[in-house]
Amino acid sequence: DADVTQTPRNRITKTGKRIMLECSQTKGHDRMYWYRQDPGLGLRLIYYSFDVKDINKGEISDGYSVSRQAQAKFSLSLESAIPNQTALYFCATSGAGDTGELFFGEGSRLTVL
Amino acid sequence: GQNIDQPTEMTATEGAIVQINCTYQTSGFNGLFWYQQHAGEAPTFLSYNVLDGLEEKGRFSSFLSRSKGYSYLLLKELQMKDSASYLCAVTDSNYQLIWGAGTKLIIKP
Repeated sequence: DADVTQTPRNRITKTGKRIMLECSQTKGHDRMYWYRQDPGLGLRLIYYSFDVKDINKGEISDGYSVSRQAQAKFSLSLESAIPNQTALYFCATSGAGDTGELFFGEGSRLTVL
Repeated sequence: GQNIDQPTEMTATEGAIVQINCTYQTSGFNGLFWYQQHAGEAPTFLSYNVLDGLEEKGRFSSFLSRSKGYSYLLLKELQMKDSASYLCAVTDSNYQLIWGAGTKLIIKP
């Protein structure tokens, strides 16, 4: 089983719908991240959390929200999806005090029609 | 602004050597990563450089020059499975990761 698990892996939805992407990890890491990846662009940080009570905006947080339900769980929500949120979304974790190496989930491909 | 530059695409032949360059301009520097990403899959860690010089790990090596804001990833004895995108990322002074757009490497027989 993967150490960082994302659900769903693929989702097609319509404009205006609420979507939640979930991430769980068994690595025991405190730090969790949500990224989106678009063709021709680097990974862009949406939100990150260094522990359960810590939530921080990344460079592209508008239109997204997150919840850190437990050390092992970090979910990303799109309250009202729009077509330009069509992308591949990755959850990642890292250990505090390490080099900062990220461990990624398998990705969630979201299509907003 | 902060910027990471790497070539968009490179082509190489199976069994050969290829060097993928990365130049960066960031507010501070606390390390440089290389990740490999096969199409439709998650990035996976390849290497980490924080001091100048060459780090070798099997067929893959990574070089860093902090004074030049420059790194390269060297892949030797190329195999078809090395066809992937290679992502360069730099940790800035706030320990935020800045990502390049990635270099798509195509290996031909």
